[in-house]
Amino acid sequence: ETGVTQSPTHLIKTRGQQVTLRCSSQSGHNTVSWYQQALGQGPQFIFQYYREEENGRGNFPPRFSGLQFPNYSSELNVNALELDDSALYLCASRGEDMNTEAFFGQGTRLTVV
Amino acid sequence: AQKITQTQPGMFVQEKEAVTLDCTYDTSDQSYGLFWYKQPSSGEMIFLIYQGSYDEQNATEGRYSLNFQKARKSANLVISASQLGDSAMYFCAMRDGLFSGGYNKLIFGAGTRLAVHP
Repeated sequence: ETGVTQSPTHLIKTRGQQVTLRCSSQSGHNTVSWYQQALGQGPQFIFQYYREEENGRGNFPPRFSGLQFPNYSSELNVNALELDDSALYLCASRGEDMNTEAFFGQGTRLTVV
Repeated sequence: AQKITQTQPGMFVQEKEAVTLDCTYDTSDQSYGLFWYKQPSSGEMIFLIYQGSYDEQNATEGRYSLNFQKARKSANLVISASQLGDSAMYFCAMRDGLFSGGYNKLIFGAGTRLAVHP
């Protein structure tokens, strides 16, 4: 039990649609990161939010965007869905100390058809 | 660029035996951190063990130990006394080393699927 919860657990969307994935972090964890994990691969970093501002981004297009809220919840939004967006999306949170591990949620499995 | 390499797509081990999962990394940073995570079929990433680049002792956490060889840039995970519940995907990851502004991402390898046989 990591204290990080994601919703929904599974989702099916049509190509071209928009989707919002949600993450609720542990209290006190002011850093949240989102990762995309395609089938059979390791997770790839999408972006990170620190105190409600994006402060790092991986190699993902602008149609991937996010928000972080003061209540330790966050969102990942993906516009104009493509078939290749089908993946497991993981959020991870941690506190101020970067020497500690990130705590992951159970993920949202997105299927784009 | 930072990179994690896990060369074993799959491994199997008999219950109660020890197993080593390989991980090599590439970075030009002097300060970095190495992690191992377990991912069961449910999808959640479960933290197992952490090794800082300046830690002189190999990290241990219960049945997990990390064989850290800095000169060879390797960070192998050793699981002692394997259990059936250890069957899962295992990922080695490196924390991108910069600390300023609170930004640090994890770079993951492709993973190793471990199967524990009774």
